[in-house]
Amino acid sequence: EVQLVESGGGLVQPGRSMKLSCAASGFTFSNYGMAWVRQAPTKGLEWVATISYDGSSTYYRDSVKGRFTISRDNAKSTLYLQMNSLRSEDTATYYCTRGLGAWWGQGVMVTVSS
Amino acid sequence: DIQMTQSPSLLSASVGDRVTINCKASQNINKYLNWYQQKLGEAPKLLIYNTNNLQTGIPSRFSGSGSGTDYTLTISSLQPEDFGTYFCFQHNSWPYTFGAGTKLELK
Repeated sequence: EVQLVESGGGLVQPGRSMKLSCAASGFTFSNYGMAWVRQAPTKGLEWVATISYDGSSTYYRDSVKGRFTISRDNAKSTLYLQMNSLRSEDTATYYCTRGLGAWWGQGVMVTVSS
Repeated sequence: DIQMTQSPSLLSASVGDRVTINCKASQNINKYLNWYQQKLGEAPKLLIYNTNNLQTGIPSRFSGSGSGTDYTLTISSLQPEDFGTYFCFQHNSWPYTFGAGTKLELK
């Protein structure tokens, strides 16, 4: 069974950093592109960043470009999102997803507040 | 960025009703359109991919259609478990974008 389990969220002050992880199991992780999608409280969905199956290509939405870095460790079947210079508008539940959203993790909450 | 406009934003319906949700893209997205269902406190679930392909395990009462800029999700006979929020999503060009959602509630 495909499982995606996010971790690393919590409360962080504006301007600080946080790193999210997503542990994958139940499929050959190195065969799939992966992505992070976020949802602000009571809001819609935003596709944040995507990484190719081998990590050679990455894409970011403009609002996080230069601040967030998506990466992966195929040996560990783990996806990461390094978030720097965090802003209040980054407050959201962050979901790890496989490919174009066929499978999703349960989400992890990130709150950016002083 | 491609803007995805969903309508209606709120839909009240009864069990057994046929319902349709529409999604209009600001430019041609070449049928690269997915539909997701989300229930309160849960992650989204993929229902339809690439306009009209039913995801494995999704009941056949769900169907999708469309082309160019206009797309539709249809539920042929609404069941109690179908209530929730539905999002369309384009993956034709980066940045990928979602519609704002249609909340389907019990009348």
